[in-house]
Amino acid sequence: DAGITQSPRHKVTETGTPVTLRCHQTENHRYMYWYRQDPGHGLRLIHYSYGVKDTDKGEVSDGYSVSRSKTEDFLLTLESATSSQTSVYFCATGTGTGEQYFGPGTRLTVT
Amino acid sequence: GQQLNQSPQSMFIQEGEDVSMNCTSSSIFNTWLWYKQDPGEGPVLLIALYKAGELTSNGRLTAQFGITRKDSFLNISASIPSDVGIYFCAGLLNAGNNRKLIWGLGTSLAVNP
Repeated sequence: DAGITQSPRHKVTETGTPVTLRCHQTENHRYMYWYRQDPGHGLRLIHYSYGVKDTDKGEVSDGYSVSRSKTEDFLLTLESATSSQTSVYFCATGTGTGEQYFGPGTRLTVT
Repeated sequence: GQQLNQSPQSMFIQEGEDVSMNCTSSSIFNTWLWYKQDPGEGPVLLIALYKAGELTSNGRLTAQFGITRKDSFLNISASIPSDVGIYFCAGLLNAGNNRKLIWGLGTSLAVNP
């Protein structure tokens, strides 16, 4: 395993509030990713990072921002949570060979 | 967004049977990956394939990188109850700093003991 932790593991929040999810890795992997997983949609990439302070958008980036100030941590922020952002969020890391290693996930409910 | 065509969507089999699933794409990939996801957990990498025609095994699992580089196959032999879960394929398109995977929608496997 890649030594990936996510926090919190579960969160319930209200519409309109900001939310930050944290991903922490101990493997010194260059690449980090945020996905959301919803029934019928599989894994969809939100944002990814290819180095400290280097990030790019994925296919479902609207309403999300990310930051990576050090190799170990990749933060995902929902600026103003909406019910459509209720989902399970996975962080993953990778070395660049293509292999990605996933964290345990965060279940977010927006009421 | 771009997706791989993964089939079948679901399978219900008897313990001891062999299982086959596959992924196809209109794009050429440099790497094919197969993952398994158990309920409530993150996907776990099963097999990685890096060369066209490559055949790789991991215990009872065998995967192949299609010769056209547009498809991949996963076989599970002599299935057991702990094989239950969702299996995902993913392909890597290399482009500069881009190391994004393209994903299939998964094959849900149920095993009847």
